[in-house]
Amino acid sequence: KNQVEQSPQSLIILEGKNCTLQCNYTVSPFSNLRWYKQDTGRGPVSLTIMTFSENTKSNGRYTATLDADTKQSSLHITASQLSDSASYICVVRVLSGGYNKLIFGAGTRLAVHP
Amino acid sequence: ETGVTQTPRHLVMGMTNKKSLKCEQHLGHNAMYWYKQSAKKPLELMFVYNFKEQTENNSVPSRFSPECPNSSHLFLHLHTLQPEDSALYLCASSQQAGGGTGELFFGEGSRLTVL
Repeated sequence: KNQVEQSPQSLIILEGKNCTLQCNYTVSPFSNLRWYKQDTGRGPVSLTIMTFSENTKSNGRYTATLDADTKQSSLHITASQLSDSASYICVVRVLSGGYNKLIFGAGTRLAVHP
Repeated sequence: ETGVTQTPRHLVMGMTNKKSLKCEQHLGHNAMYWYKQSAKKPLELMFVYNFKEQTENNSVPSRFSPECPNSSHLFLHLHTLQPEDSALYLCASSQQAGGGTGELFFGEGSRLTVL
């Protein structure tokens, strides 16, 4: 069964600290993996996309990694800011009968405190 | 601004009411989606429209009725809802369903409360 599991479910850190969010998936065949950021009361916005051949990709203070062998991805946030408080959703795209489907994780809720 | 606008942002309705959610995208996309987001659960795909044609109905109860008059507009008609239908309803669009990189552009959502 295609599944995406995210951990931790929630996380509290102090401003300026780093943190890492995890995404494990049991999806086949894999097409790509995307991280979304969802601010409270807003819709999700794409942060980065990882394809099979990519191991790491950065977007400002956000760095995503992908290990296609172990089917794991991480999102590392450096020098956190209050505006990083949000839910982070991992979405894996799977090829299904020639039609790509999206499998969503439940998200990690991050709170950055001053 | 993501280019996808949803109205209303908040809606409270009784179980016997009939209401509609509206979504409009200004991105020139050909696919539009309705998702349901409940606390601590993954987004649940409800409906997919590709070039105005419904391509997916994810076993959604008939009390939810979608309408897609053109590629830019999507509605979700609601009637005789249950309290467990209370959730955030997200509209999204993409270049086309199943193609491209799969990036979805979401609206801000409509927070629905059923009393």
